[in-house]
Amino acid sequence: DTAVSQTPKYLVTQMGNDKSIKCEQNLGHDTMYWYKQDSKKFLKIMFSYNNKELIINETVPNRFSPKSPDKAHLNLHINSLELGDSAVYFCASSQSRPDPRSSQPQHFGDGTRLSIL
Amino acid sequence: QKEVEQDPGPLSVPEGAIVSLNCTYSNSAFQYFMWYRQYSRKGPELLMYTYSSGNKEDGRFTAQVDKSSKYISLFIRDSQPSDSATYLCATSGQGAQKLVFGQGTRLTINP
Repeated sequence: DTAVSQTPKYLVTQMGNDKSIKCEQNLGHDTMYWYKQDSKKFLKIMFSYNNKELIINETVPNRFSPKSPDKAHLNLHINSLELGDSAVYFCASSQSRPDPRSSQPQHFGDGTRLSIL
Repeated sequence: QKEVEQDPGPLSVPEGAIVSLNCTYSNSAFQYFMWYRQYSRKGPELLMYTYSSGNKEDGRFTAQVDKSSKYISLFIRDSQPSDSATYLCATSGQGAQKLVFGQGTRLTINP
């Protein structure tokens, strides 16, 4: 049973379109993330939600809008897709702890490969 | 300058060799240090996780953190062809939520 699952695995679309990527985790974690991995394999955080509340919002264009309907789900909607949005988008989850020293590592899904034509 | 520097390789070694992978980081506030392994077309998979300085061993894998020199290492003993993957170091400050990754080192173990 997959712990962090993303759909779709592949997404090929035209410039200017709007698309969504979905993520679900069955680990019981309370924090979820979106990362972008570029063609050079550089992985960079975009957003993070804790208990449906946005806690990390890096310098990401407004065209990207995350939504967390509940603790187990985090979706990413992208408006007006551009060529530079082509990348692999990874969802991850972790469990927060009151004591930061016992924080838990993040578990990743297998990614959504987005190609803009 | 990137917050975490990692030589992207590629690195190619014979089966059975000891592999040493390294990263340096610039932010002295970083306290959590991780190594992830990423196979082609898969997500990063957690290998090692340490808090603050020191060593941690798990089977053939040993992670070392030297906060005084801001240097993190991963050693793989008795390397196997199945260890061929991209290895990503990652670090973060308090709370371990905002991970900062190195670029990843592509490793190939030749039979």
